[in-house]
Amino acid sequence: QKEVEQDPGPLSVPEGAIVSLNCTYSNSAFQYFMWYRQYSRKGPELLMYTYSSGNKEDGRFTAQVDKSSKYISLFIRDSQPSDSATYLCAMSAWSSNTGKLIFGQGTTLQVKP
Amino acid sequence: EPEVTQTPSHQVTQMGQEVILRCVPISNHLYFYWYRQILGQKVEFLVSFYNNEISEKSEIFDDQFSVERPDGSNFTLKIRSTKLEDSAMYFCASTTGTSSAYNEQFFGPGTRLTVL
Repeated sequence: QKEVEQDPGPLSVPEGAIVSLNCTYSNSAFQYFMWYRQYSRKGPELLMYTYSSGNKEDGRFTAQVDKSSKYISLFIRDSQPSDSATYLCAMSAWSSNTGKLIFGQGTTLQVKP
Repeated sequence: EPEVTQTPSHQVTQMGQEVILRCVPISNHLYFYWYRQILGQKVEFLVSFYNNEISEKSEIFDDQFSVERPDGSNFTLKIRSTKLEDSAMYFCASTTGTSSAYNEQFFGPGTRLTVL
């Protein structure tokens, strides 16, 4: 079983739609859950992070973590064409000497005007 | 705003040649990473570096790879004898690592390595 699984899509939605992106994971040691956005041939850029279970909201973005189900989600409200990118979930069992990130495959999102 | 920079943006090399990829992390950061992304695949951890030594490395990071912080600003990844399968985008990242809470990793724009 892969450590982090994410449907690569592509996902195409009309402007204004609510987008739901998801990842599942197998490693119970993960404590930090991140969503990165990546534009073509660019480095990942952090959107949001969540520690342990719960919800976190930042503007049009909401991140949810359900550790009991090993399932995380990112919701985008009122999606815009500028949201078109690849969204990567990433996880970390942060310790004092590593902090390495384990990424999902990434979901490519296209928001059509 | 401080950012991680990487040079070159694109490197083309012949199989068997040595390459050095360069990164300048954010100046007050203490932890440094290399990741790679083969086209169409996920971003994969290669190595983490702290206090002038490797703190963790993945299975990918074999004897052909090495990292160095030759001075106070640069962080390099060397591949001694490149293989076709080393063709990928290589990302450098850095973080402060000074808090017990989450420390955001900042990624550079990447170096695209093409091995012919």
